[in-house]
Amino acid sequence: AQSVAQPEDQVNVAEGNPLTVKCTYSVSGNPYLFWYVQYPNRGLQFLLKYITGDNLVKGSYGFEAEFNKSQTSFHLKKPSALVSDSALYFCAVNGGFKTIFGAGTRLFVKA
Amino acid sequence: DTGVSQNPRHKITKRGQNVTFRCDPISEHNRLYWYRQTLGQGPEFLTYFQNEAQLEKSRLLSDRFSAERPKGSFSTLEIQRTEQGDSAMYLCASSLAPGDEKLFFGSGTQLSVL
Repeated sequence: AQSVAQPEDQVNVAEGNPLTVKCTYSVSGNPYLFWYVQYPNRGLQFLLKYITGDNLVKGSYGFEAEFNKSQTSFHLKKPSALVSDSALYFCAVNGGFKTIFGAGTRLFVKA
Repeated sequence: DTGVSQNPRHKITKRGQNVTFRCDPISEHNRLYWYRQTLGQGPEFLTYFQNEAQLEKSRLLSDRFSAERPKGSFSTLEIQRTEQGDSAMYLCASSLAPGDEKLFFGSGTQLSVL
C-alpha cells in the first residue's frame, strides 16, 4: 500500500523568508512524487514532480522539492516566500498505479 | 488543449435521490480518475480508468457509487440513494499513461445533499 503524510496542518512564514512544507511517503518500488497547490475557489494545479534523476526538482512559481530516499521524504521549498504563495499544498505519490494525496498543509505568508 | 471539463459545477439534491456527474478529460489522456474532497482535506481516491477499463475502486466506495467510461472517452459517476455524508466536491482528473502521472484536474462538482 502507498501513503503520504504531511505532518503540519499549517505553516506560517513571513514574506521574503524561506519556506518548507514537509512530506513523507511510503510506497513499494520507485515512487513518482508530486506537489500540487490549491488556491481558494480554484482547482488543483500541478507544481512539480520527481520521477528519477536529480534529487532537487524545480517547479512552477519558484518552488522546488528535495527527494530524500533514505528518509522517504519529499519536502517542498522556496527560497523567498510571497504573500501570493498562501494556499493549500498537497503532496502526492504514485507507485505505478493510482495517485494518493496527503491531507494537505495550509501555507500562510504574512506581509 | 481545452482542459478537463466537469458538469454540473454545483448539484443540490434531496437525500435519497440519485445524481450523476460527467467528466470530459483531455482528449489524448488514457487515464481518468475520480476523487472526493471535503473542505480543507486532501483529495480521496475513489476510482480510476485506463481507457474504458476500471482498474481500481476504493474500498471506501459503497455499492451506491458507480462509474463508467464508455469507449474510453468521457466518464460518469453516479451516486444512488444519496446521503448527507455524500456532500463533497467530486473531482475528475486525467493523465497520459504510463510514464507521466501528472494529473490535470477539472474544477469539480460540488454536491450538497439536503
